[in-house]
Amino acid sequence: QSALTQPRSVSGSPGQSVTISCTGTSSDVGGYNYVSWYQQHPGKAPKVMIYDVSKRPSGVPDRFSGSKSGNTASLTISGLQAEDEADYFCCSYAGTSVLFGGGTKLTVL
Amino acid sequence: EVQLMQSGPEVKKPGESLKISCKGSGYSFTSYWIAWVRQMPGKGLEWMGIVYPSDSDIRYSPSFQGQVTISVDKSISTAYLQWSTLKASDTAVYYCARASTTYGVVTVWGQGTLVTVSS
Repeated sequence: QSALTQPRSVSGSPGQSVTISCTGTSSDVGGYNYVSWYQQHPGKAPKVMIYDVSKRPSGVPDRFSGSKSGNTASLTISGLQAEDEADYFCCSYAGTSVLFGGGTKLTVL
Repeated sequence: EVQLMQSGPEVKKPGESLKISCKGSGYSFTSYWIAWVRQMPGKGLEWMGIVYPSDSDIRYSPSFQGQVTISVDKSISTAYLQWSTLKASDTAVYYCARASTTYGVVTVWGQGTLVTVSS
């Protein structure tokens, strides 16, 4: 089982929107609606931002949204804020285990 | 407050054994799964496995099967991650995290345990 594929980095200016993609296969992302997204600031534990493809836990701003098409899931952050600068990891159930993406560093310019 | 409190940092030599812990509090420990996640220095997250404290149902990621041992003592609300023979490549931060299912959604994380393996 290989890690899910994410871009290494994305960037955007405050107020703009960015989208991070997460590509897997029909055995993971494409096969189940169990994609989640985690935000991790340096030296901190990850925090779930999206689960079950598009659901937001309480307390997560509605600027964060998730979607999926085929074998690719996406996290969109609208109205970028400075505190959104962090690493983002996608995660998918894969039948016998769980796979993470390699992570995407979001830079807020 | 729901918390997962992990044991402190460890420095070990290659070949040594190690057991780190994760104690849950503020919730019914036997009603949620506990997952273990590895993060090597400067790298991404890796799912190691998951245990259900109520019946000790343990499911290892294929990549970690046979490399580590996950266990739990529900009487003291504590899960464990154990190595019998450490390697330098085991150097990483290890997180425990609480999950409602085995599908990869974890909502509460421990603070992480840094394990350094060096001669």
